[in-house]
Amino acid sequence: EPEVTQTPSHQVTQMGQEVILRCVPISNHLYFYWYRQILGQKVEFLVSFYNNEISEKSEIFDDQFSVERPDGSNFTLKIRSTKLEDSAMYFCASNTGTGAFGYTFGSGTRLTVV
Amino acid sequence: KNQVEQSPQSLIILEGKNCTLQCNYTVSPFSNLRWYKQDTGRGPVSLTIMTFSENTKSNGRYTATLDADTKQSSLHITASQLSDSASYICVVSANNAGNMLTFGGGTRLMVKP
Repeated sequence: EPEVTQTPSHQVTQMGQEVILRCVPISNHLYFYWYRQILGQKVEFLVSFYNNEISEKSEIFDDQFSVERPDGSNFTLKIRSTKLEDSAMYFCASNTGTGAFGYTFGSGTRLTVV
Repeated sequence: KNQVEQSPQSLIILEGKNCTLQCNYTVSPFSNLRWYKQDTGRGPVSLTIMTFSENTKSNGRYTATLDADTKQSSLHITASQLSDSASYICVVSANNAGNMLTFGGGTRLMVKP
């Protein structure tokens, strides 16, 4: 069964450093997402991406965050200057289209900012 | 603001017993409602997905119901197994350009032998 692949599974970084989280969505999917889950809290929407541009973003997704689809297969989330409160599980997801049922999540990257 | 609330927060049951988890939502415009199972440290895995016109859907021992009028859903687990121990999350999809999901806080289920 097709999977969404995320790397690395765990990343530790120092406060103020830039990190890039990587995702390979399912190949025929058109919509791509990042969500995060702070330990013990709900999963929260960060951003959706379609047709090489952001289609929706939450208030969490400020200027420190950016997303990119640098080639036909990868989808990345960059955090420019990490803060302690950025420590969370970051989930990538992809979907076949609006309202579609093919929403599939990756296994997540655990980001720890020290 | 779109919200999804779940109850109970946690539940302990004995292996073989049934249980029902509840979900209330205020998400507009509504597209569909999903129940996910999430093991600790893993990504959510879809159990059922229901649109506005569906009021029940089953997936093996999992049966979800949806009342779109009262904006309530339930997930019933039959004949629980130890492997059912996980968080069960109610997720509502908004019918907007980004099709973003609003997650509930989940019910942490523990099945004991």
